[in-house]
Amino acid sequence: SQQGEEDPQALSIQEGENATMNCSYKTSINNLQWYRQNSGRGLVHLILIRSNEREKHSGRLRVTLDTSKKSSSLLITASRAADTASYFCAFVKAAGNKLTFGGGTRVLVKP
Amino acid sequence: NAGVTQTPKFQVLKTGQSMTLQCAQDMNHEYMSWYRQDPGMGLRLIHYSVGAGITDQGEVPNGYNVSRSTTEDFPLRLLSAAPSQTSVYFCASSSNSGNTIYFGEGSWLTVV
Repeated sequence: SQQGEEDPQALSIQEGENATMNCSYKTSINNLQWYRQNSGRGLVHLILIRSNEREKHSGRLRVTLDTSKKSSSLLITASRAADTASYFCAFVKAAGNKLTFGGGTRVLVKP
Repeated sequence: NAGVTQTPKFQVLKTGQSMTLQCAQDMNHEYMSWYRQDPGMGLRLIHYSVGAGITDQGEVPNGYNVSRSTTEDFPLRLLSAAPSQTSVYFCASSSNSGNTIYFGEGSWLTVV
């Protein structure tokens, strides 16, 4: 069973709009990571945010983490057609050493 | 620096056959893992290793064996393939479990 859940499961936006997706988890974590997967390819790491951090930026990406709500969000600003992909959150439990993935959000950016 | 290399990319097996998915990394990473990804779903951890000679089970280990005789290699064995093992398999590595994970390009396995 998935211990991380992402919402929405799918998102369709126009180029230039922002895309926001959310990830919720059930346990205490060490860190939370976001990955991107293009169709038929492997996953590519985007951002890692540690449990003592609340927000991180990388280019057009902004990740927030709210450990009290056990949730994280990924915002892609000024989206491009090339941002079309599936996005996955993954987290390392506080007392463990395994990375657990959410179910992913499929993002379609229409030109 | 090739990163994480896994082979084969595509494989069709008959039920009951055995095969090994190969995985190698050239980044001197201690932590390696195998995941499977089913349609429309996230990745589920099959087995992982925190260093040479050490392996442990993940979320869905049944039907799979692994070994870690060297730091570089982490093969995944299917001893008797079943249709339920039809999936895309990803090998991954990192310097330790809490750091950025690097993924291979995936192996598409179909069991008929």
